[in-house]
Amino acid sequence: QVQLQESGPGLVKPSETLSLTCTVTGASISSSFWNWIRQPPGKGLEWIGYIHYSGSSNYNPSLKSRVTISLETSKSQFSLKLSSVTAADTAIYYCARGHYGDYIWYFDNWGQGSLVTVSS
Amino acid sequence: ETVLTQSPGTLSLSPGARATLSCRASQRVSSGYLAWYQQKPGQAPRLLIYAASNRATGIPDRFSGRGSGTDFTLTISRLEPEDFAVYYCQQYGISPAITFGQGTRLEIK
Repeated sequence: QVQLQESGPGLVKPSETLSLTCTVTGASISSSFWNWIRQPPGKGLEWIGYIHYSGSSNYNPSLKSRVTISLETSKSQFSLKLSSVTAADTAIYYCARGHYGDYIWYFDNWGQGSLVTVSS
Repeated sequence: ETVLTQSPGTLSLSPGARATLSCRASQRVSSGYLAWYQQKPGQAPRLLIYAASNRATGIPDRFSGRGSGTDFTLTISRLEPEDFAVYYCQQYGISPAITFGQGTRLEIK
């Protein structure tokens, strides 16, 4: 059974860098696309970006200048760094596995989510 | 950017009724790249339908999806109490690679 679990600080100060890690169990991280998605309280879903096991990445242009997603294969983890945060970055952050193959894409496994609040 | 517009924003129905949720894209979406998710309060989204019409593992057959091009539909044939939730459509495309609709809230009438 594939499981994803987010971890990291729940409170980040404005202008600092938000850092989260997603630990994957039950599946090899050396396959698939590994994603970060966020959801401001009471609002909809916003895709942040993904990293492919090959090391290639793709980010939402609206966040691209502030986002880095990296992969640590030996620990079966991938991470998100979002710099220069403001209150608008307050959200539940989800990690999710993206399935891509035969011209089909979907998110088939999600973490439970991690609430990150940006406040001084 | 491909914008997905879901309608209605809120749908009020009774258990046993049929629900029809719409997802309209601002430009053509390949059917393989259109998926639907269900989200309940305090939970992560759950995959319901992928490639526009394929039920994910474990999803009851009262859920069905159809559509092509720019118009897609999720239908729940007979609503069960556990189906009242928020539903999102999602597409994979070009920059940004992935976008979601704003969601349809399905509430008990």
